[in-house]
Amino acid sequence: DTGVSQNPRHKITKRGQNVTFRCDPISEHNRLYWYRQTLGQGPEFLTYFQNEAQLEKSRLLSDRFSAERPKGSFSTLEIQRTEQGDSAMYLCASADTDTEAFFGQGTRLTVV
Amino acid sequence: DAKTTQPPSMDCAEGRAANLPCNHSTISGNEYVYWYRQIHSQGPQYIIHGLKNNETNEMASLIITEDRKSSTLILPHATLRDTAVYYCIVRGVGDDKLIFGTGTRLQVFP
Repeated sequence: DTGVSQNPRHKITKRGQNVTFRCDPISEHNRLYWYRQTLGQGPEFLTYFQNEAQLEKSRLLSDRFSAERPKGSFSTLEIQRTEQGDSAMYLCASADTDTEAFFGQGTRLTVV
Repeated sequence: DAKTTQPPSMDCAEGRAANLPCNHSTISGNEYVYWYRQIHSQGPQYIIHGLKNNETNEMASLIITEDRKSSTLILPHATLRDTAVYYCIVRGVGDDKLIFGTGTRLQVFP
């Protein structure tokens, strides 16, 4: 197993465009998390899946953000009508019921 | 909000022990102390966790005070590759997510 994989690693987009990020968790991990991290801050929780069910969403996840995990395996995070304030590192993590969370390398988004 | 307080930065000489403190004075009886670190431009990496007993693994040791209101992560022989931000996190058994604070930036120097 190669760990949690995130694609793309970097994304530059123009303000107002839509972007989609993908996360492939560790095989058979039933929990998947999305976090956002800005410079100098710790990661901030966005949302969490247990298999395909989205169980919790942070108030940070505005209406422009949507996350899916259709078959309980990979997940996508979409940001519509991007704003400059969306520029950040987006981190994905996965875990099994009794294991610690393993993080991917993240997707760095720059909105210009 | 994060339930922990950590110094913003620390320095350590290569080869010496790095002792990173964490205060969690409001910790509950069923809450664990977790430590993660984040090397520049990478995702956070799990280090160790404990409830009330001291723990040791191949990466580090975790010392939790008897009253559980504080803990110390010990890297016994710091190397340059240990330069990172270290996060101390309190997490309950029923908590499904990790809440990160701003962590301690450890700089290991030659």
